[in-house]
Formats: sequence, C-alpha cells, structure tokens
Amino acid sequence: AQSVTQLDSQVPVFEEAPVELRCNYSSSVSVYLFWYVQYPNQGLQLLLKYLSGSTLVESINGFEAEFNKSQTSFHLRKPSVHISDTAEYFCAVSDRINKFYFGSGTKLNVKP
Amino acid sequence: NAGVTQTPKFRILKIGQSMTLQCTQDMNHNYMYWYRQDPGMGLKLIYYSVGAGITDKGEVPNGYNVSRSTTEDFPLRLELAAPSQTSVYFCASSPSGRGISYEQYFGPGTRLTVT
Repeated sequence: AQSVTQLDSQVPVFEEAPVELRCNYSSSVSVYLFWYVQYPNQGLQLLLKYLSGSTLVESINGFEAEFNKSQTSFHLRKPSVHISDTAEYFCAVSDRINKFYFGSGTKLNVKP
Repeated sequence: NAGVTQTPKFRILKIGQSMTLQCTQDMNHNYMYWYRQDPGMGLKLIYYSVGAGITDKGEVPNGYNVSRSTTEDFPLRLELAAPSQTSVYFCASSPSGRGISYEQYFGPGTRLTVT
C-alpha cells in the first residue's frame, strides 16, 4: 500500500510571500500524484496533478508542483500567496487501480 | 451538471440509531468512494466501488455498509451509530481507464454528530 506524508500540519505565511507545502510518498510502483485544496466547509477540489511527462505541473492560479522520483516527493509551491489561498491542502497518490491515499493535510494561513 | 451530490448536509444522531448517507453522481463514473475526515487525520477510505454490484472495503470499514445497485448511487449505511463515527463524510467518484488514474470529484460532505 502507498502512504503519504505531509510534514507540516500548519504553515503561516504573510501575503505576497512565497510558500512551499511538502509532500513525500512511499511506493514501490508507479504512482500518480495530486494536490487537492479544501476551503472551509467545502469538499475537496483538484488543484493539480501529475500523471506522466513533464515533472513540473502548474495550476491555473499560480501554484506549481514538481515530481521528484528519486526523493519520492511532490512539493507544492507558490511564489506569491494571496489571502484567498488560505485553505487546507491535501497531497494524494493513486496507483493504477484507482485507489487513492491522502496525506493528513496542511493548513495554509495567509496573513495580511 | 450537478457532479457529486450528498444528502443530508448535517445530521445529529443518538447512539444506536441508524441512518443512510446518500451519494449520487451524474458523470457516469464507474468508481465511487466514501471517505471520512477527522481533524488532523486527512481522509480515510471507508468503502469503494469499481462499478454497479461491486464494492470493497477500504481502511476503516467497521460500522459501515454500502451497496451499489446503479452506476449513479452509492449510499453509505450506519447501522448502530457510535460517538466514534462523529466525522465529516465525503463521497467521491472518478472515471475508470485501463492503466490510467484520473482525479476524484468530491461531493460537499455530510457533517455527522453522534451523541
């Protein structure tokens, strides 16, 4: 089975500062990687995903993540955060049979 | 296109009561899932289904049952509610494809309190 570790449960950051949310996974097989975002009292929404090809993937709102196979990592980054990015972020991995494994989440708190 | 819908949004149960959480998707997805989310614990898979008539246990199935009689619906049944089942429950669906994994689409959640 896969496992996903999100090393930081909470990340406070000031508006317009850069941020990195860390995600490591353990797997002996090829996996697909995802970042989901959850705003208060809502379900999870897909932020970005890596299936194959370029190891750097981007979202439409400025987030990016890089798949690093040797380090089994898929860290999420944004060069300049906004207040509206305040949310909880979940890293997830999936194997070829569509079973998904989620990390424990990182709460990003953007301060003015 | 409604996506994944869940009812009810909120529910308070007494210990020992039963209830069914409803989940419906209109995207013709074969795969459906039930998760529970507890603070600081992320999402834990309760049950999943790869198609109508086929279900399987996830990480935390005890105390729950599911059925999948149609592609669209995947209800979750709690037979004897316990305080440990206080949680937020999310239903999700994803398309299937040979050797390819697609993202999941989540419902808005059901917040359940057992007292």
